Amino acid sequence: GIQVEQSPPDLILQEGANSTLRCNFSDSVNNLQWFHQNPWGQLINLFYIPSGTKQNGRLSATTVATERYSLLYISSSQTTDSGVYFCAVEQKDGGTSYGKLTFGQGTILTVHP
Amino acid sequence: EAGVAQSPRYKIIEKRQSVAFWCNPISGHATLYWYQQILGQGPKLLIQFQNNGVVDDSQLPKDRFSAERLKGVDSTLKIQPAKLEDSAVYLCASSLDRWTSGHSSYNEQFFGPGTRLTVL
Repeated sequence: GIQVEQSPPDLILQEGANSTLRCNFSDSVNNLQWFHQNPWGQLINLFYIPSGTKQNGRLSATTVATERYSLLYISSSQTTDSGVYFCAVEQKDGGTSYGKLTFGQGTILTVHP
Repeated sequence: EAGVAQSPRYKIIEKRQSVAFWCNPISGHATLYWYQQILGQGPKLLIQFQNNGVVDDSQLPKDRFSAERLKGVDSTLKIQPAKLEDSAVYLCASSLDRWTSGHSSYNEQFFGPGTRLTVL
């Protein structure tokens, strides 16, 4: 199956700092999503981005499908950005993995005031 | 638009007991997923339904886990008997049916709040 690696595993920032989270995957994908898991465990959708670039407020994401990686940018971080950020992909394999998201191990982000 | 609903939010049981979790997907979403998230790890898919049929249950431990989605809407996941290693958060997700949706994010999955299970 497809492998998903996220880096860094942990990130500690001061409020106002910028950060970049990376997701590498081992095969072609149909779907790539970024999630934020808040301290209560809820997975919140950030981006659906199998390719290209998207922006939503202070967050933006870029997926370079041909090079098998995606980046999540957080600018002017706030304490409410703290939590775990997951990248998840659906492998492109002729339909066998249809709908099946494989998650990375996550990046734990802590933003201090 | 209401999100994915799950209940209960928390459950504590002793090993060898049985437990059931309920999920109601986003209205109109044909595909429903159950994931297991062990502490410190990313979620892992257990079973996937399209309408009321199973698409993939290859990762479901069928000797103790079962799931159903009667009438193609709500779903129930059951564990019987529970083991200590089943302690985890059980997440339900849903997505639009790829083949009938004209929306560009047709395969985006949306997750419920999860059920945190502790097996003692």
